[in-house]
Amino acid sequence: EPEVTQTPSHQVTQMGQEVILRCVPISNHLYFYWYRQILGQKVEFLVSFYNNEISEKSEIFDDQFSVERPDGSNFTLKIRSTKLEDSAMYFCASSGTGNVLADTQYFGPGTRLTVL
Amino acid sequence: SQQGEEDPQALSIQEGENATMNCSYKTSINNLQWYRQNSGRGLVHLILIRSNEREKHSGRLRVTLDTSKKSSSLLITASRAADTASYFCATVGSSGYSTLTFGKGTMLLVSP
Repeated sequence: EPEVTQTPSHQVTQMGQEVILRCVPISNHLYFYWYRQILGQKVEFLVSFYNNEISEKSEIFDDQFSVERPDGSNFTLKIRSTKLEDSAMYFCASSGTGNVLADTQYFGPGTRLTVL
Repeated sequence: SQQGEEDPQALSIQEGENATMNCSYKTSINNLQWYRQNSGRGLVHLILIRSNEREKHSGRLRVTLDTSKKSSSLLITASRAADTASYFCATVGSSGYSTLTFGKGTMLLVSP
């Protein structure tokens, strides 16, 4: 069964460093998402992406964050200058071969980001 | 913003018993979805119920939706130790965006 994959599974970085989290969505999906979950808290929406542009973003997704689909398969989240509070599990999701509102979002296994 | 809020926060039962988790939200929705998360792992989609549906079944799972009360319930029948996980409801609003808004989750522990 097709699945969303994410690399790396765990990333440790120093405060102020740039990180790129990578995702390979399910191949025929059209909508892509990033969510994050700070330890012990809710899963929070960051950004959605469709047709090579951001379709929605949350307040969390400030200028430090960017997303890109550099080729036909990868979907990346870049954090330009990491802060301690960026430590979280980051989930990629994809959906959408039809009605995006009614489609299931399939999540990847997550990347645990630790900022020291 | 709409929020799914589950209760109870934690539930501990014996294998073979049924587990019921509830979810409430605040604004109108297009659909409501339930996800499972094993400790420290990814989110696994369980079931999606649309706003015009009242009940849905999938294997040992039964989901109900009451849009007048803005609430949903997830019933797991004949629970197994492998069902031990956190369960989250997540809503997609009717505003035209497909963003999922998650609740805090119910941690279910099923003892053998």
